[in-house]
Amino acid sequence: EVQLVESGGDLVQPGGSLRLSCAASGFSFSDHYVDWVRQAPGKGLEWVGLMRNRAHSYSTEYAASVKGRFTVSRDESKNSVYLQMNSLNIDDTAVYYCTRGTERAYDGKTLEYWGQGTVVTVSS
Amino acid sequence: DIQMTQSPSAMSASVGDRVTITCRASQGISNYLVWFQQKPGKGPKRLIYAASSLQSGVPSRFSGSGSGTEFTLTINSLQPEDFATYYCLQYDSYPLTFGGGSRVEIK
Repeated sequence: EVQLVESGGDLVQPGGSLRLSCAASGFSFSDHYVDWVRQAPGKGLEWVGLMRNRAHSYSTEYAASVKGRFTVSRDESKNSVYLQMNSLNIDDTAVYYCTRGTERAYDGKTLEYWGQGTVVTVSS
Repeated sequence: DIQMTQSPSAMSASVGDRVTITCRASQGISNYLVWFQQKPGKGPKRLIYAASSLQSGVPSRFSGSGSGTEFTLTINSLQPEDFATYYCLQYDSYPLTFGGGSRVEIK
């Protein structure tokens, strides 16, 4: 069974930093991209960023709203992916979801499985 | 960036109704479109990928169609468990972008 379990959400002050973790199991982690998606309270879904697999050189993509502040990384030995968030502002308050992505572009496996989410609150 | 415009943003329907939700892309995305269902307090669930392919385990009353810039999610014979919010997502190019969501409420 594919499982993705996020952790690390917390209350943080504006300007602060936080690192979210996502532990994956039940599939060949190294074969897949991993995406992060967030949802602000009462709002829609927003794609945040991704890290591709080794076959695609672990390259990354980010939404403009987080580029330069957020960094996705992964640890193959722990089947885990991370979202380092710096210079947080109140607009970053959201539930953050880790998702299993594709194995290669356009294979139809985009955002196929989701974790339960972890809550990040940015407030003074 | 590709903009995804969903309509309607909310609707009321009855059990047994046929429901249609539309998603329009600001430029052609071939068939690189996914539909999700989200219930309150839960993470999204993927229903349709590649515009018209049914995700394994999803009831056949859900169907998707379209290509290019116009896409449709249809729910035939709406069931009580289908009252939720639905989102489209384009994966033609980065950044991936979602539609604004369509909330289906009980009439």
